[in-house]
Amino acid sequence: DGGITQSPKYLFRKEGQNVTLSCEQNLNHDAMYWYRQDPGQGLRLIYYSQIVNDFQKGDIAEGYSVSREKKESFPLTVTSAQKNPTAFYLCASSKGPPANLGYEQYFGPGTRLTVT
Amino acid sequence: AQSVTQLGSHVSVSEGALVLLRCNYSSSVPPYLFWYVQYPNQGLQLLLKYTSAATLVKGINGFEAEFKKSETSFHLTKPSAHMSDAAEYFCAVSGWETSGSRLTFGEGTQLTVNP
Repeated sequence: DGGITQSPKYLFRKEGQNVTLSCEQNLNHDAMYWYRQDPGQGLRLIYYSQIVNDFQKGDIAEGYSVSREKKESFPLTVTSAQKNPTAFYLCASSKGPPANLGYEQYFGPGTRLTVT
Repeated sequence: AQSVTQLGSHVSVSEGALVLLRCNYSSSVPPYLFWYVQYPNQGLQLLLKYTSAATLVKGINGFEAEFKKSETSFHLTKPSAHMSDAAEYFCAVSGWETSGSRLTFGEGTQLTVNP
């Protein structure tokens, strides 16, 4: 079955450590996205990539970094510079820019990161 | 810039009652509109989307939404609520105004279904 996988489901880290969240898709989608979700808030866009080897900052990119070396993979690194990293992180993908043809985004199951 | 407003962060209905979740959008160009559902500790699942083909859009699980340009609304409805409908619902917008390929999400509405 095609879909998006995120691993691990739960992740615990000590403050000051960098941590990388995995996101893989086998939908042959060009675009991929990372969102952060906090209780009582909507989804906030961290980074997105429309094509391999290219990505753009979203609304809350500070303290995060990404890479897009392969079409299938879009890992997110939460660095020690992120002041409040504890959150639920969601990865998504779409055929292409939804602004062009109304393509929907497909979401992974999420990773809950807890930093203490 | 495009935006969406979901009226009511929490909605409670009885099982079998009408579900109405409100979404208003802001856009100076024809938008694409989406409704997603999220169950606890899971990702989002697409319920339905509007891409200008028809103003009344039918989705999964018996949900539908009507695009009303004059009211800049895209409210989600279901005639009869089921216990399994309890979840958080997000409205989202995209369009030519949107920078890059991104959706803008509302803050979500938590739906509770009472037996």
